Order: sequence, then structure tokens, then C-alpha cells
Amino acid sequence: NAGVTQTPKFRVLKTGQSMTLLCAQDMNHEYMYWYRQDPGMGLRLIHYSVGEGTTAKGEVPDGYNVSRLKKQNFLLGLESAAPSQTSVYFCASSREAGGGSPLHFGNGTRLTVT
Amino acid sequence: RKEVEQDPGPFNVPEGATVAFNCTYSNSASQSFFWYRQDCRKEPKLLMSVYSSGNEDGRFTAQLNRASQYISLLIRDSKLSDSATYLCVVNYDYKLSFGAGTTVTVRA
Repeated sequence: NAGVTQTPKFRVLKTGQSMTLLCAQDMNHEYMYWYRQDPGMGLRLIHYSVGEGTTAKGEVPDGYNVSRLKKQNFLLGLESAAPSQTSVYFCASSREAGGGSPLHFGNGTRLTVT
Repeated sequence: RKEVEQDPGPFNVPEGATVAFNCTYSNSASQSFFWYRQDCRKEPKLLMSVYSSGNEDGRFTAQLNRASQYISLLIRDSKLSDSATYLCVVNYDYKLSFGAGTTVTVRA
């Protein structure tokens, strides 16, 4: 049982380049989330999904897009990377919303934008 | 004002000591509360939920004070393996807000 798997683990981009982060979960969870974690700040929600085919904006959505074409996958896209997007990105999934069940996190993607 | 605030620490304690720290939250209507643990360069994992009456899980005790809007975590008989960053998480209306974390380092 792999849980939540994120790829890639590390990436360096130049300003203006694009990339997609992939998140896959095998727990049949309805809810999936993308967070970013920066030093001195709590995890901040970028986008989330309450089920296949749905997406919604979180706290810091600007500069990111997401898609959830299949229940098990949640993709995060950066169309034109900026240095301010240098961060650690975590995908998470849960069976219920709002803390009703634990968040299961992937092991993170460390992104540097130069 | 941040929704959830934590003393970043670090709290450096010897093995076997007791360490306690708090987290304050700004929304008085917050509904549920959690502590997550995050090891260095790893993903967060749920440590425990925090219930109104307080609750224990082994050496860990969590308390909630709604009047003063804070939650606390106490670790008894600290182990080296307790070294981590502890994230306070608060839920309001299905939205989870994370604190920046309190770092605990247990030394031999």
C-alpha cells in the first residue's frame, strides 16, 4: 500500500519554465489537496478537489492550475514559474473533509526556481 | 494576524524530560484541533486529535482551552525519537489552518 506518491522529488526550473507535479493516491480518497510549505510559515493550501472532475481554489492559488481527471490523481501545474514559487510542495488526501479523517501526505517535492 | 500561531522554538530538552508548548488560534468558532508531527525534510503525519476534555496518547497529552483560544501538547519522558517539528492544525468550516510548527530537539 503506497499511500500518496508524489513525483518528482526535486526539480530546478528557470523563471518562465513550466512543469507539472503529479500526485497519486491508492486509498480511494475523495479529497485531495496541494499545499506549499515555506520557512516560518504554516502549510498553505493552493488548490483542492472534493472528487473526480472537481477542483477549487485554496488560500494561494495564483500562478498554479490543477486537474483531477481520475479519482486517484491530482496534478499541479506551473505555467510560468517565478522565483516566489520556490518552495516545498506537498500533496495530501483524506477520506473526509475538514479534519474528519487524517490527512495523508506525500513525501514532498522540493522546487527551486532560479 | 496569523490564524494559527506557534512558538517556533527550538525546545532543547534532555532525554526523560517533560516538554510542553502551546498554539494559539484566532477564530473563536474553530471546530476541531489536531497536532501533526513533521520530521526533518519529511511529510507531516497526524500525531493526535485534540478533544475538549483533553486526551492522552501514551506519553503525549493534548489540551484545549476554548476560552483563551489555545491548545497545548505535553510530552512526558522524552525520547530521542521525539525530536521533530510539531504542527498545530485548526479546522473551521472544513478549512484547515496550519501553524508554522514548534521544533523539539531531545538530546542524549
